[in-house]
Amino acid sequence: DGGITQSPKYLFRKEGQNVTLSCEQNLNHDAMYWYRQDPGQGLRLIYYSQIVNDFQKGDIAEGYSVSREKKESFPLTVTSAQKNPTAFYLCASRQSYSFTYEQYFGPGTRLTVT
Amino acid sequence: DAKTTQPPSMDCAEGRAANLPCNHSTISGNEYVYWYRQIHSQGPQYIIHGLKNNETNEMASLIITEDRKSSTLILPHATLRDTAVYYCIVQRWSDMRFGAGTRLTVKP
Repeated sequence: DGGITQSPKYLFRKEGQNVTLSCEQNLNHDAMYWYRQDPGQGLRLIYYSQIVNDFQKGDIAEGYSVSREKKESFPLTVTSAQKNPTAFYLCASRQSYSFTYEQYFGPGTRLTVT
Repeated sequence: DAKTTQPPSMDCAEGRAANLPCNHSTISGNEYVYWYRQIHSQGPQYIIHGLKNNETNEMASLIITEDRKSSTLILPHATLRDTAVYYCIVQRWSDMRFGAGTRLTVKP
């Protein structure tokens, strides 16, 4: 059953702690993406990766970090430098960075920092 | 960056066609128009995409004007399960940016 897995679905952390969100895909897609969504808002691009060992900043990369050591995995770390980390985080993948392919999304992780 | 403009909300009666408009007046010649939808608290779902011709699949139809400055997503027979936020996106080469979308409410 191919798709994108994000875990956990809900995550709670104390302020000042770094936290890593998992994203795994078994679709053999080259490109992967991280988005953040705040209540009632659209999706904002955090980071994206077109191929393994390469990634680019999106519109709101400050306070976040990523790695792409394997094709199927693109973890996102929310650092203590992120001022307002509480949000819904979505991971997506695409077959390649060509604009003829659609994105596939995971179910999301809802992060709450108190 | 080709930006898109969508109405913030629309209503549709169950069983009727839902027509969702999108303006993308700065679209360039090689950029595709994509539509996704997001049902509450889930990841967005791909619906359809097109370059210049009208497209149809099992979910919807996409009508793109001849000058490509606007498009319309058509859900031919809307059901209550089609209530969602619909995003119109102009596909860039390597990244995708979502606006606020249109919140479609299908009413009985």
